[in-house]
Amino acid sequence: AQKITQTQPGMFVQEKEAVTLDCTYDTSDPSYGLFWYKQPSSGEMIFLIYQGSYDQQNATEGRYSLNFQKARKSANLVISASQLGDSAMYFCAMRDHGSGNTGKLIFGQGTTLQVKP
Amino acid sequence: GAVVSQHPSRVICKSGTSVKIECRSLDFQATTMFWYRQFPKQSLMLMATSNEGSKATYEQGVEKDKFLINHASLTLSTLTVTSAHPEDSSFYICSADLGTSLWSSYNEQFFGPGTRLTVL
Repeated sequence: AQKITQTQPGMFVQEKEAVTLDCTYDTSDPSYGLFWYKQPSSGEMIFLIYQGSYDQQNATEGRYSLNFQKARKSANLVISASQLGDSAMYFCAMRDHGSGNTGKLIFGQGTTLQVKP
Repeated sequence: GAVVSQHPSRVICKSGTSVKIECRSLDFQATTMFWYRQFPKQSLMLMATSNEGSKATYEQGVEKDKFLINHASLTLSTLTVTSAHPEDSSFYICSADLGTSLWSSYNEQFFGPGTRLTVL
């Protein structure tokens, strides 16, 4: 069965420093996609970054990068130069063939990040 | 970019009443939409997958008679919480899939802004 695990319920980071949010996953399907979303207190889900299982390079989007270690089944999100506006809840998610080709996402428990001034 | 709207954004109702939440894809057609439920400080839990023109597929443990889903067109899916009770109070979020190849190199699911339901 597919599973996403985020072991850090809460994290603190100093403004302008980098922070890594952990995510491990489990799937028996060789073809899958990994996503990170940001959810501020307003509740909207903001897509941050995507990594495909066959992608050779780690995904990057501006200050966000994904440290993809396939053998370890981990997909950690790295936020560089943290800003106060980065304070939010962050979710790791996965979709794979096990979803019955419906495309549904399986979400991790989430990590609340607080950026200190 | 693809935009998904939800209406209403917030609703307060009395116990026993029914509440309808709309999810619309504004600038694209979505053959598949998803409904999630989220309790405070918790993760999103998928409730059901909604396909245009067919019955929704509910996740295990979700009462289909309680949470009625109708995907009447390629741009609209509705969730009706029937005979709502205080325990149904939650944040409901929909998402719409672009419907391109599931295994394209880049794939996104676009989320609506959510509906906060409070049942008194």
